[in-house]
Order: sequence, then structure tokens, then C-alpha cells
Amino acid sequence: SQQGEEDPQALSIQEGENATMNCSYKTSINNLQWYRQNSGRGLVHLILIRSNEREKHSGRLRVTLDTSKKSSSLLITASRAADTASYFCATVLYGAMDSNYQLIWGAGTKLIIKP
Amino acid sequence: KAGVTQTPRYLIKTRGQQVTLSCSPISGHRSVSWYQQTPGQGLQFLFEYFSETQRNKGNFPGRFSGRQFSNSRSEMNVSTLELGDSALYLCASSLSTLGSYNEQFFGPGTRLTVL
Repeated sequence: SQQGEEDPQALSIQEGENATMNCSYKTSINNLQWYRQNSGRGLVHLILIRSNEREKHSGRLRVTLDTSKKSSSLLITASRAADTASYFCATVLYGAMDSNYQLIWGAGTKLIIKP
Repeated sequence: KAGVTQTPRYLIKTRGQQVTLSCSPISGHRSVSWYQQTPGQGLQFLFEYFSETQRNKGNFPGRFSGRQFSNSRSEMNVSTLELGDSALYLCASSLSTLGSYNEQFFGPGTRLTVL
């Protein structure tokens, strides 16, 4: 089963509007990462937020993390056509030993920005 | 700095064959991870190499294997191909000694089609 699940699965907004997508996860995490994937630039790291952080900003991106609710949200302000992409959250899942871990990905939110 | 490169970009094989995919990480990156991406299962972690050692492994059958060379270049091999192995295979490198625990840089992927 997936550690992270994004919501909504798809989102279509007008250029200039804000876009918010959410990610829920199941187990305790050390950090949560957001990535973007589009056909032009492939999969690109956007932002990493650690479990002891509540909010992080990077340009037009704002990420929040609520460890009590096991959820994170990604806000893109003043959206542009170039923001059209799929957005994924990813969290580290530990195995039986702390040295064994893997990055678990959500199914993604497909964001379409209409001109 | 050159990004992560993957070869070949496209590959068509038939069931039962084997395939080898190659990944060259960003110069200086010693951590290389491999992922499989399909419409049905999304992004799934295959394995991670660091300094020529497999450090982590996902839940894939033994038909999927990999290795890393002293120059950090990595290869993954899939033997006895099945139709379900058709996917985009992504390689990612990281400067961090903790690999996928932190920011990763992805290559464009190899699109494998099994007929």
C-alpha cells in the first residue's frame, strides 16, 4: 500500500489562481518531499519539509506539515501555465532496521492550468 | 554540471528476454536509486546503491537486479521479461550520503515496452 496519498487526484484552475493539493501518509516520518513531473522536465524535486517543521516556502510554493494529522499540503500561488504537471509527495518508510529505508510515493495530483 | 543521464531512452523487448538499463549520475553523486513508474502502480522504489553497495531494496522479485560501478554509474537488469514490466524506469542520484532520504535528481527515464 502507498505511504502517501494525494488529494485531489486531478485539479483544473485558471491561470493566476492558487492551487492547493494535499498528501496524507500512514506512519511516522522523518521528512516529506514534494516533486513535480511534466513531460518537458521530467521529475523534479520541489521542496523537503522535516518532521519538526510546520511550514516551508520556496518562491511561489508553500508547504505545510501536520504530523498530528499525518498530512501535508502544497500551495502554489499565482499559478502559471508552466505549473501544469503532476505533483507527488514522497515519504521515507523504514524497514526492519533503521539502515533499511525506501522512498514511498503517492499516486499524484494532476494539475492543469487553463490560460 | 550535466544532469542524470539514462540510456537507452526507449526500448522494446519481447517476453522472456532480458534487458539492461544504464544510468550516469551527476558528477560527485554517489547515491543512485532506481524506480519503476506505471499508470497502475505509480512510482515504486526498486533499489538504491551507494559506493557500489546495494543499500536498500524495494519489494520487487529477484528478476530485477542492479549494480553500481566505482565511478558511480549504475545499471539495472531485468531478466525473463513479463508484460507487466512495461514501464518508465527512472534513475535518481543524490549528493547526500543518505540518498533518497534527501533531495534527488532524476534522469529522463527509459521507457520499456514488453511485447
